[in-house]
Amino acid sequence: SQTIHQWPATLVQPVGSPLSLECTVEGTSNPNLYWYRQAAGRGLQLLFYSVGIGQISSEVPQNLSASRPQDRQFILSSKKLLLSDSGFYLCAWAPGQEYQPQHFGDGTRLSIL
Amino acid sequence: GQNIDQPTEMTATEGAIVQINCTYQTSGFNGLFWYQQHAGEAPTFLSYNVLDGLEEKGRFSSFLSRSKGYSYLLLKELQMKDSASYLCAVLTSNYQLIWGAGTKLIIKP
Repeated sequence: SQTIHQWPATLVQPVGSPLSLECTVEGTSNPNLYWYRQAAGRGLQLLFYSVGIGQISSEVPQNLSASRPQDRQFILSSKKLLLSDSGFYLCAWAPGQEYQPQHFGDGTRLSIL
Repeated sequence: GQNIDQPTEMTATEGAIVQINCTYQTSGFNGLFWYQQHAGEAPTFLSYNVLDGLEEKGRFSSFLSRSKGYSYLLLKELQMKDSASYLCAVLTSNYQLIWGAGTKLIIKP
């Protein structure tokens, strides 16, 4: 069966520091991968998605970036965090067929001080 | 623009039935998903509707009317563990997934 791992679970970072969140998927190949952010009490905001290695689409202009160095690895990065980057970050995967549901990792709760 | 509307919050009693509505206006339609999200946790997939009608999965059912741009999630025999947010998401014609803000469901004994 397929599993998705996302870490760390929680992170407290000072303003201006760098960020790296990692997500890996097991048990499938060539998945679509997604990074979302969820503000408290709000819906999901799609940040990036990828349909293959090195293929990244950005949905929201910001100081975040994403990379997919391997088929089942998706990384969210920032060089300098802002206060507004606080939130709940979720990685998700879905099979290549568009009608399939997305499945989420456990999420990372990021607090910027 | 693209828009999905859900009630912000609903309250129901343990053992009862509750219906959570979702209306959408999107550029095309390739299906509608319902997810459950407990506080502090990731969303989990509940159901997918692409054709009109009712899909039943145990205590949960989901209904779709494409002509009305409307769906609902029906939860029967409510349990305390059903207290969660319920997210509606629409897959558009270019396979973009548009998410509603979610409905927080509070179950009272």
